[in-house]
Amino acid sequence: KAGVTQTPRYLIKTRGQQVTLSCSPISGHRSVSWYQQTPGQGLQFLFEYFSETQRNKGNFPGRFSGRQFSNSRSEMNVSTLELGDSALYLCASSPQGGTQYFGPGTRLTVL
Amino acid sequence: AQSVTQPDIHITVSEGASLELRCNYSYGATPYLFWYVQSPGQGLQLLLKYFSGDTLVQGIKGFEAEFKRSQSSFNLRKPSVHWSDAAEYFCAVVLGKYGGSQGNLIFGKGTKLSVKP
Repeated sequence: KAGVTQTPRYLIKTRGQQVTLSCSPISGHRSVSWYQQTPGQGLQFLFEYFSETQRNKGNFPGRFSGRQFSNSRSEMNVSTLELGDSALYLCASSPQGGTQYFGPGTRLTVL
Repeated sequence: AQSVTQPDIHITVSEGASLELRCNYSYGATPYLFWYVQSPGQGLQLLLKYFSGDTLVQGIKGFEAEFKRSQSSFNLRKPSVHWSDAAEYFCAVVLGKYGGSQGNLIFGKGTKLSVKP
């Protein structure tokens, strides 16, 4: 099976802009989770989607949002970008009751 | 609050030497426990996991981990390190199930492993 894919792999934006990241889960996986990785804060949970519904949410401001489509693909959006949003954004998928498998991540740089 | 502690930020071992990476968690019950590895510029790869049962868990690439409830620990071990094991290692827990999925991983800060030739 193909692994989790994330697009784009690299992204450069300026402060105030918005950005949308995409994640395609492993075929058959219905749960998608998003994480932010920074040198200072490490890996932090953003949110989880299952069957198009947000099931869990981490402690991030409302500028961070996401959604999941009927084919389990997921997008996350960050509005009004700040310098501190520069990070590696990781997506993970899992089957119901299964373990999470991570994609390669999207490296976002905010200038 | 629930947390995961990896006390060692950076460890250097010689190739062929044994390795132990420490992980402690703070949680009232037994969580589900994981070890992931991340190579530079890459995502996370699952090494092994513990849900229940035998407290010594075998993983990929010759790694194993032992769950010790009395010490709230889940240390990762490898008897002989290879140069290709140089990477960053993350311990993670998930606090129970929600509808069968474990979507909310809490990670430690990671331990960077360097391997001397």
